[in-house]
Amino acid sequence: DAGVTQSPTHLIKTRGQQVTLRCSPISGHKSVSWYQQVLGQGPQFIFQYYEKEERGRGNFPDRFSARQFPNYSSELNVNALLLGDSALYLCASSLGGGTSTDTQYFGPGTRLTVL
Amino acid sequence: AQSVTQLGSHVSVSEGALVLLRCNYSSSVPPYLFWYVQYPNQGLQLLLKYTSAATLVKGINGFEAEFKKSETSFHLTKPSAHMSDAAEYFCAVSVTGGFKTIFGAGTRLFVKA
Repeated sequence: DAGVTQSPTHLIKTRGQQVTLRCSPISGHKSVSWYQQVLGQGPQFIFQYYEKEERGRGNFPDRFSARQFPNYSSELNVNALLLGDSALYLCASSLGGGTSTDTQYFGPGTRLTVL
Repeated sequence: AQSVTQLGSHVSVSEGALVLLRCNYSSSVPPYLFWYVQYPNQGLQLLLKYTSAATLVKGINGFEAEFKKSETSFHLTKPSAHMSDAAEYFCAVSVTGGFKTIFGAGTRLFVKA
């Protein structure tokens, strides 16, 4: 079975541009979460979606937005990119309603570099 | 609010030696605790999780962790290190009804031959 897939694997943008990252969860999983991992740090929670509704939001500015589609795939959008947005963006999927004990399965991430 | 502190950003052990990675948490309600491993250029893989059942949790690849409420700790151990254990390890916490997992800063494990 395919795991969590993310695209693209690498991305280079310039300051002020907009970017869209994509995530396909494991088949049957209805919950998707997004994390930002800056080099040398642990992942920081951005969003969680379940059944196409936002269930949780981390401490990120409104430049960050996301959505989940009827097939449970998800997109993360970041507008007006800043140098500090350079990071590995991780997507995780889980089976159920995103409760705390659901096991999250992580994708390989998208490496975003902002110049 | 919940938080996680991992003591030691780098830990170096010899092959065959005990691995001990330290994690302390802060939570006002009973927490759920996790250890993840990240290999270079890969996503995170769950090693084990504590969900209020047995306090000693066994995970994959010979790792285990013990939940100690009195010490607010959830240290990760492995009796004998293998070269393939070299990676970044993250401790994480979430709480009942929450949809947010909080990760520590990570500990990089080096294994010497």
